[in-house]
Amino acid sequence: GNSVTQMEGPVTLSEEAFLTINCTYTATGYPSLFWYVQYPGEGLQLLLKATKADDKGSNKGFEATYRKETTSFHLEKGSVQVSDSAVYFCALSDRTGNQFYFGTGTSLTVIP
Amino acid sequence: GAVVSQHPSRVICKSGTSVKIECRSLDFQATTMFWYRQFPKKSLMLMATSNEGSKATYEQGVEKDKFLINHASLTLSTLTVTSAHPEDSSFYICSANSVPGLRTEAFFGQGTRLTVV
Repeated sequence: GNSVTQMEGPVTLSEEAFLTINCTYTATGYPSLFWYVQYPGEGLQLLLKATKADDKGSNKGFEATYRKETTSFHLEKGSVQVSDSAVYFCALSDRTGNQFYFGTGTSLTVIP
Repeated sequence: GAVVSQHPSRVICKSGTSVKIECRSLDFQATTMFWYRQFPKKSLMLMATSNEGSKATYEQGVEKDKFLINHASLTLSTLTVTSAHPEDSSFYICSANSVPGLRTEAFFGQGTRLTVV
């Protein structure tokens, strides 16, 4: 079946530090992979996505590469800001593109 | 981009009452919408798939009589929590795909924080 395993948090970093949030997946077929971000009190927003192996998704300084050989989609950012404080969810969609499977979420707090 | 609006964003209700949550696709038609529940420090768990013009499909362990889903139009799905209890307190969120069947991202509503007292 499909599942996503995500690094547990919470993660606390100083401003300008390097961020990595690990995500691995199990899927049948060729899923699409996503990172969603949830700011306090808000719903989920798409951060970035990748639809096939070796694709790199990027947005707002965040990057993640679809690695089929390691079934991973790790999220990285070179220099985090206080405004990046949020909960980050790794997710995959099945072949139909309709159903999503989420990781448990990783809470990130960036301190000045 | 596509927008999904969810209302209300927060609701407090008394035990035993029912609460209705609306999910609207504002600029596209959604034949299918999804309802998730998020427990504290847990991920989103799919509760049910809402199908326009037909019955919803519930995930295993979700009580269909307690969580009533109605998808009466191509832009609106509603989730009604009936006879709410404190254990129903949670964050509920809906989603819809703008182009069903294609690998597009899901668009999420803002979520509804339900507190049952």
